[in-house]
Amino acid sequence: QVQLVESGGGVVQPGGSLRLSCTASGFTFTNHAMHWVRQAPGKGLEWVAIVSHDGSNKKYADSVKGRFTISRDNSKNTVYLEMNSLRAVDTAVYYCARGVDIFLVPPSMGDWFDPWGQGTLVTVSS
Amino acid sequence: DIQMTQSPSSLSVSVRDRVTITCRASQSISNYVNWYQQKPGKAPEVLIYAASRLQSGVPSRFSGSGSGTDFTLTISSLQPEDFATYYCQQSYTTPHSFGQGTKLEIK
Repeated sequence: QVQLVESGGGVVQPGGSLRLSCTASGFTFTNHAMHWVRQAPGKGLEWVAIVSHDGSNKKYADSVKGRFTISRDNSKNTVYLEMNSLRAVDTAVYYCARGVDIFLVPPSMGDWFDPWGQGTLVTVSS
Repeated sequence: DIQMTQSPSSLSVSVRDRVTITCRASQSISNYVNWYQQKPGKAPEVLIYAASRLQSGVPSRFSGSGSGTDFTLTISSLQPEDFATYYCQQSYTTPHSFGQGTKLEIK
């Protein structure tokens, strides 16, 4: 079945770094853009970043631009989020999510996230 | 950046009620709106994509409408398993912003 499994979360001090991984299975990974979305404790959803199906295009939320880097290894069916200069406000559950199949869904339909991983908690605290 | 303003932020409702949640975009975004349901401790799940398309496996009591700047999620007859938080999201451009969420609570 289609599945996304995140790993790499944990406790890190302010200013520190962490790398999250999201490993996909059950679908053709190279047909889909991949996203990271986060949710601070008790708060709403915040889109973080996207990497295109082939890794050639990447976009970020302003709140993480210059500090976070999204990448993917299509040989490993894995997407990464490298997080540097972490701040307390980055504390959140981080979800990876699959975008649409770009070879099946026309651009006029947009993009949506399905499925999502189970999430991994990142806590930035001294 | 496009802002998605969702209302209400919470709603006290009863089983079998008809529920309407609205989302307004800060600029016209055609039909590039999706709706998600999130239950406590779980990842969100897509209900509606492209403003009005029902995701496979989602009950038909859920429906979406709208275009341009104003969008609506409707639950025609609320069931016990529908008590959750709902989010709209735009995919017109990055950042793919979400609304603030609407929490459905038991009256």
